[in-house]
Amino acid sequence: DTEVTQTPKHLVMGMTNKKSLKCEQHMGHRAMYWYKQKAKKPPELMFVYSYEKLSINESVPSRFSPECPNSSLLNLHLHALQPEDSALYLCASSQGSSGVETQYFGPGTRLLVL
Amino acid sequence: AQKVTQAQTEISVVEKEDVTLDCVYETRDTTYYLFWYKQPPSGELVFLIRRNSFDEQNEISGRYSWNFQKSTSSFNFTITASQVVDSAVYFCALTESLAGANSKLTFGKGITLSVRP
Repeated sequence: DTEVTQTPKHLVMGMTNKKSLKCEQHMGHRAMYWYKQKAKKPPELMFVYSYEKLSINESVPSRFSPECPNSSLLNLHLHALQPEDSALYLCASSQGSSGVETQYFGPGTRLLVL
Repeated sequence: AQKVTQAQTEISVVEKEDVTLDCVYETRDTTYYLFWYKQPPSGELVFLIRRNSFDEQNEISGRYSWNFQKSTSSFNFTITASQVVDSAVYFCALTESLAGANSKLTFGKGITLSVRP
């Protein structure tokens, strides 16, 4: 089973709203990732959690706040977003984060900020 | 710094044609990993293959085949007898193996493949 699940599938929010994206995997993976993907572009890495600790933050604005409550769950808290933050947000997981392991992606959350 | 180039941006073929998607990479490391992912319109990135830098054997999986050539830094992907369901964006990606550190996937810009009935 190589399934990563993400909720919600679609999200529309105003610039003053607070919302959260959720990601879950039950493969026993110890690394989890958030990516942002704009239309017709490749995914861009935002955050990496390794063994439930934040190991990479790609200089993401503080209006995006990641959280890893346990090894199976990854959240992305959103607050005061801008319209340019509208994108597909992809979660991924891998056994580790050394680069050897394959990253498995979820179906994504399509976010629209009005 | 590592880099992945997918020079083709859009390819359109008729069903049952063979199609090759090109991928050229740059890295200064001797140990690295190459990947292909498929992204259908639904959005999910589907893993297709992983190949390490020490394994230059070509691979075939059904209608899919991959040709890895270190001499030309290329990792090309061929779909034989294409089908409409193959329509998607295909990404080639590269990562280095860094002991004790976090490595990152470097993606190419992607190739949009359209297969017409």
